[in-house]
Amino acid sequence: KAGVTQTPRYLIKTRGQQVTLSCSPISGHRSVSWYQQTPGQGLQFLFEYFSETQRNKGNFPGRFSGRQFSNSRSEMNVSTLELGDSALYLCASSFQQGVTEAFFGQGTRLTVV
Amino acid sequence: DAKTTQPPSMDCAEGRAANLPCNHSTISGNEYVYWYRQIHSQGPQYIIHGLKNNETNEMASLIITEDRKSSTLILPHATLRDTAVYYCIVRPTQHGSSNTGKLIFGQGTTLQVKP
Repeated sequence: KAGVTQTPRYLIKTRGQQVTLSCSPISGHRSVSWYQQTPGQGLQFLFEYFSETQRNKGNFPGRFSGRQFSNSRSEMNVSTLELGDSALYLCASSFQQGVTEAFFGQGTRLTVV
Repeated sequence: DAKTTQPPSMDCAEGRAANLPCNHSTISGNEYVYWYRQIHSQGPQYIIHGLKNNETNEMASLIITEDRKSSTLILPHATLRDTAVYYCIVRPTQHGSSNTGKLIFGQGTTLQVKP
């Protein structure tokens, strides 16, 4: 079956703009998590959604937000982009919350100029 | 902060077993040990997880010490395609009836498999 799909794969934005990234989980998976990966900070947890509800949130400013739709697809939004937001944004899907393995997408490479 | 400590890098000869250690001395009784790896420019890939018994699947074996304070991931016959960053993760304790899928990644071990 198809894996986790993230769109777009690459994105270039200007400081101050806002961006929306999309994640389609594996069919049947209801939990979606988002991570930010930078060379300096590594992989950091952004937030987790299950059944359209945010279940967990990482230590990121309010400019970072997300949502999950009834079909489990998820979007994350970053407003007022800063240069430091340049990163690989990864989405992971799981069948359910808790002790299950997560399947990651290929990520969206965001560059803020 | 990550609850695990891993060596920053390791080398392994192709065809030999790769043994990747991980210390998690503050692990709680109901926390699992997970291993993921990330090949350059790709998303992390789940490898294996365990609670206290040793586990084996088609990719690797996981050996957890009896006191659960450390574990070792074993790739029995490493290939060049196993070159990646390997992350050992302790899944956060569940709170009440709410499980969490949150994974806290450390810096991992960069495994270089050499011909």
